[in-house]
Amino acid sequence: KQEVTQIPAALSVPEGENLVLNCSFTDSAIYNLQWFRQDPGKGLTSLLLIQSSQREQTSGRLNASLDKSSGRSTLYIAASQPGDSATYLCKAAGNKLTFGGGTRVLVKP
Amino acid sequence: DAGITQSPRHKVTETGTPVTLRCHQTENHRYMYWYRQDPGHGLRLIHYSYGVKDTDKGEVSDGYSVSRSKTEDFLLTLESATSSQTSVYFCAISESERYEQYFGPGTRLTVT
Repeated sequence: KQEVTQIPAALSVPEGENLVLNCSFTDSAIYNLQWFRQDPGKGLTSLLLIQSSQREQTSGRLNASLDKSSGRSTLYIAASQPGDSATYLCKAAGNKLTFGGGTRVLVKP
Repeated sequence: DAGITQSPRHKVTETGTPVTLRCHQTENHRYMYWYRQDPGHGLRLIHYSYGVKDTDKGEVSDGYSVSRSKTEDFLLTLESATSSQTSVYFCAISESERYEQYFGPGTRLTVT
């Protein structure tokens, strides 16, 4: 059974600092991993999708890496801003679609 | 944003009553999904559809049924609502199971 873990559950950083968010999965037989952002009371917004054959994907200040052999993905957000405050979720897609519990991020001005 | 709407956005109902939630998409995506999101449990897949009239169960399908008679609409029905089904329900779509998923705004359901 696939298990997806996001640690820490919450973190707080000062504005301008780089954010590093972790996602671990137990079954490496995935075909992609997707990162989302969720604002309070809202739906999920897709940030990045990494296919299993890829090592990383970039979009603006966001960069996501994937290491299937170690069961890890990392989302980097450069030069964080207060508007980056949200909950970030990862989803591993294989035989099942499994979400992590999320990391709640607060960027302090 | 992907064209996904959910209705109703909020609903309060009593235990034992039937409830139907609707998801509508304008993207012509083949796959549609229903999830529920609960504190401490995260997002869990209820049912999904891979085409008109083609559906399959997710990990928490007990007490729920679905129907898809048109590409654009995916209905989730709680035949007899229970308090344990109080949750936020999200619909998602994707072109295929290996592509990005896009989520709707959610429906907050309270069963009293």
